[in-house]
Amino acid sequence: KQEVTQIPAALSVPEGENLVLNCSFTDSAIYNLQWFRQDPGKGLTSLLLIQSSQREQTSGRLNASLDKSSGRSTLYIAASQPGDSATYLCAVYYGGSQGNLIFGKGTKLSVKP
Amino acid sequence: DTEVTQTPKHLVMGMTNKKSLKCEQHMGHRAMYWYKQKAKKPPELMFVYSYEKLSINESVPSRFSPECPNSSLLNLHLHALQPEDSALYLCASSQSGQGQETQYFGPGTRLLVL
Repeated sequence: KQEVTQIPAALSVPEGENLVLNCSFTDSAIYNLQWFRQDPGKGLTSLLLIQSSQREQTSGRLNASLDKSSGRSTLYIAASQPGDSATYLCAVYYGGSQGNLIFGKGTKLSVKP
Repeated sequence: DTEVTQTPKHLVMGMTNKKSLKCEQHMGHRAMYWYKQKAKKPPELMFVYSYEKLSINESVPSRFSPECPNSSLLNLHLHALQPEDSALYLCASSQSGQGQETQYFGPGTRLLVL
């Protein structure tokens, strides 16, 4: 069974700290992996999409890495801010069914001023 | 314009009601999706339309009926829902539905079934 796991489930850090969110997947034959942000009661905002042939993607203070062979991805957030507080979801696409993303349960991040 | 809009934002309905959720995008995307998200759970895919053709998730009950009038609009018709159907319903779109592309999500409709 293809599963996506995110650890930790929740994380609280002081403002300014660098942090890493983890995502692991059981089947390494992925097409791509996507990181999303979700604010409470809101929709999802796509942060970064990494194709299976790529090792990392960067956008501003965010850097996502992908290690297919070990079934892992990390989202690195530099110099965290209170506005970064949200739930971060990792989703994997294995191909086949159209758009069938498999989501992890997310990491709820709280950045305290 | 990279926005997916959904209406209404909130909906309360009884188990005998008929209602519809609406989703719209003007990015020229040819694939649109409905997801269901229960509290503290990840989104679960319900339906996909690609070039106005439907791909059905077999686990979705018939009380949920999708409709894609054109490439910019996606509806979800609701009838005889159960309280356990209460959830956040998210619409998304992508360029062509190949799965290798970014999906853009709307803000969702929060549904409460009494």
